[in-house]
Amino acid sequence: EVQLVESGGGLVQPGRSLRLSCTASGFTFGHYAMSWIRQAPGKGLEWVGFIRSTTFGGTTEYAASLKGRFTISRDDSKNIAYLHMNSLKTEDTAVYYCTRDRLSSLDYWGQGTLVTVSS
Amino acid sequence: SSELTQDPAVSVALGQTVRITCLGDSLRSYYAIWYQQKPGQAPVVVIYDKNKRPSGIPDRFSGSSSGNRASLTIAGAQAEDEADYYCNSRDSSGNHWVFGGGTKLTVL
Repeated sequence: EVQLVESGGGLVQPGRSLRLSCTASGFTFGHYAMSWIRQAPGKGLEWVGFIRSTTFGGTTEYAASLKGRFTISRDDSKNIAYLHMNSLKTEDTAVYYCTRDRLSSLDYWGQGTLVTVSS
Repeated sequence: SSELTQDPAVSVALGQTVRITCLGDSLRSYYAIWYQQKPGQAPVVVIYDKNKRPSGIPDRFSGSSSGNRASLTIAGAQAEDEADYYCNSRDSSGNHWVFGGGTKLTVL
């Protein structure tokens, strides 16, 4: 059974950094790209970025709106994808989901982790 | 353009057919994926590759597309179909994902 479990969310002050983790199981993690999606309270889904599989270079793409503040990495030996968030703003408050990224869809989603940016 | 546009809200009588639409230039090149999200839950794929259903998704869900428009049809809507529905596709560059703003479906 495919499972994705996000962790690392919580309350953080504006301007600080936070790292989210996504621990995967039930599939060959290294064969898949992984995407991060966020959803602000009461709002729609917003794609944050993704990291390609190591086979395809493990390169990354990001939403333009994030302006280089967010970075995605992966550790295939641990089956974990990371989302590093810097210079956090109040508008980054959201539930952050990790997803398995097949070219045809984001087919499996974690349960999400809430990040609250507030002083 | 990297935008997908959806109607914010749609309603349907129980047992009737409803169509949810999504407009965007990228849909001329890429299939839409449709997700269902119920309150407090993560989204779930209901349609991908234009009109394929993942295992466990009822066959009352179907997808179609033409030009820059994609549609999700629910034939014989059930109470449990009340949810938010999001369309999603690659953007025109093919390197990014983009989501529509979501459609809240109410089953009356």
